[in-house]
Amino acid sequence: DIQMTQSPSTLSASLGDRVTITCRASQSISSWLAWYQQKPGKPPKLLIYKASRLESGVPSRFSGSGSGTEFTLTIINLQPEDFATYYCQQSNTYATFGQGTKVEIK
Amino acid sequence: QVQVVQSGAEVKKPGSSVKVSCKTSGVPFSSDFISWVRQAPGQGLEWMGRIIPMFGTTNYAQKFQGRVTLSADESTTTAYMDLSSLSSEDTAVYYCAREGRQDKAMVFDLWGQGTPVTVSS
Repeated sequence: DIQMTQSPSTLSASLGDRVTITCRASQSISSWLAWYQQKPGKPPKLLIYKASRLESGVPSRFSGSGSGTEFTLTIINLQPEDFATYYCQQSNTYATFGQGTKVEIK
Repeated sequence: QVQVVQSGAEVKKPGSSVKVSCKTSGVPFSSDFISWVRQAPGQGLEWMGRIIPMFGTTNYAQKFQGRVTLSADESTTTAYMDLSSLSSEDTAVYYCAREGRQDKAMVFDLWGQGTPVTVSS
C-alpha cells in the first residue's frame, strides 16, 4: 500500500500569511495527488487534483506543486475561511489519505 | 440541482451490521464510480471501496475485504454500503463520494453529508 505523510500536523498562521503544507508518498505516484479542505462537521472539499490543477470555483490563492513522491500545497494571503484541516490523497493506486494538517489561527 | 444525500445516524451493537445509503440526483449515476470513505472521531480519512453502478463492479480496500459490501440500485440512483461484524473501532462518520473522470479518476469531487455510525454495547 502507498503511505502518505503530511507535515506539519498543525500550523499556526495569521491572516494574510503564506502557508505551505508538504505531503510525501512512500513510492512514486507521478502527479496523481489531490488536496482537500475540511471544516468541522463537514465533508472534505476538493481543492486541487493531479498535483497542480485547481478545482473549479476554488480561489486562486490555493496552488499545488510537485511530482513523484514530494508535493506541496501553498495558500497565499490566508483568509479567515481558510482555517481548516487539509488532507492530501494519492489517486495513483486506489486512494490513500495523509493524516491531515490543521491550519489554526496564531 | 446536484445533490448527494445519505441516510441518517445509526447506533449499533458490537457484532451487528449497518447499511448506509447514498442517493444522488442531478449527476450521472450509473457510469460514475461511487466511493465510501470513513472518518473516525478526531481522525483522518480512510478509503473503504468503490462501485460503478452500471456494471456492479466493486473494488475494496484490503482492510475491509470480506466485511464490507457495496451495492447500487440504478432505478433509484442510490448506492449502499453494508459493513458487518461491527466493533467500537468502526465508530465513525461514513461518507459516500462521487469520483471524477480522467485526470480526476480516484479523486472525489462530490460528497455526501456523512452518516455517523456509533457502535456501542
